[in-house]
Amino acid sequence: EAQVTQNPRYLITVTGKKLTVTCSQNMNHEYMSWYRQDPGLGLRQIYYSMNVEVTDKGDVPEGYKVSRKEKRNFPLILESPSPNQTSLYFCASSQTGGTGSRYGYTFGSGTRLTVV
Amino acid sequence: AQSVAQPEDQVNVAEGNPLTVKCTYSVSGNPYLFWYVQYPNRGLQFLLKYITGDNLVKGSYGFEAEFNKSQTSFHLKKPSALVSDSALYFCAVRRPFSGGYNKLIFGAGTRLAVHP
Repeated sequence: EAQVTQNPRYLITVTGKKLTVTCSQNMNHEYMSWYRQDPGLGLRQIYYSMNVEVTDKGDVPEGYKVSRKEKRNFPLILESPSPNQTSLYFCASSQTGGTGSRYGYTFGSGTRLTVV
Repeated sequence: AQSVAQPEDQVNVAEGNPLTVKCTYSVSGNPYLFWYVQYPNRGLQFLLKYITGDNLVKGSYGFEAEFNKSQTSFHLKKPSALVSDSALYFCAVRRPFSGGYNKLIFGAGTRLAVHP
């Protein structure tokens, strides 16, 4: 089954303790992206990746890091989490631009992060 | 800059009545438009998209959307609402042929509540 898998689904952590949220897709998509969802703000892009070793900032990148060492994986790293990073996080993947931009995203099930 | 507006935070409708969830967009050139649905504790699921062609597009679960270029709108509709349609709905826009940059811009979301 074609899917995007995120782990963990739920995470409670303390301020300053480094954490990683994993994301993996099995569709051979070049494009992957992380979004955070906050009430009244919709989904805001954190980082995206056009392909292996190609990443760039989205609209709200502060406090986050990403890496793309393999095509299928795109982990989100919070080096020193703070309470304002409490949110619902989604990973998504897609075929790339040109005619590929006709396609929407496939989303993971989300990771609800609470930083206390 | 690209943007998407969903002017209603919540839409309430009685089961069996028609429903409309509104979306307007701002993007240069011809847009690619999408609707996604999010059920509680789930990721976003693709409903339908407009790329080109017929202004009325049909999607999953009996939903359809009408593209209106002059009004820059892409309203989601369903002739007869079901209680199970209650969810959070997101409109999104992508700028085509943008050099492979596949960013989807999302609206803030509209919560649809269908009452028995």
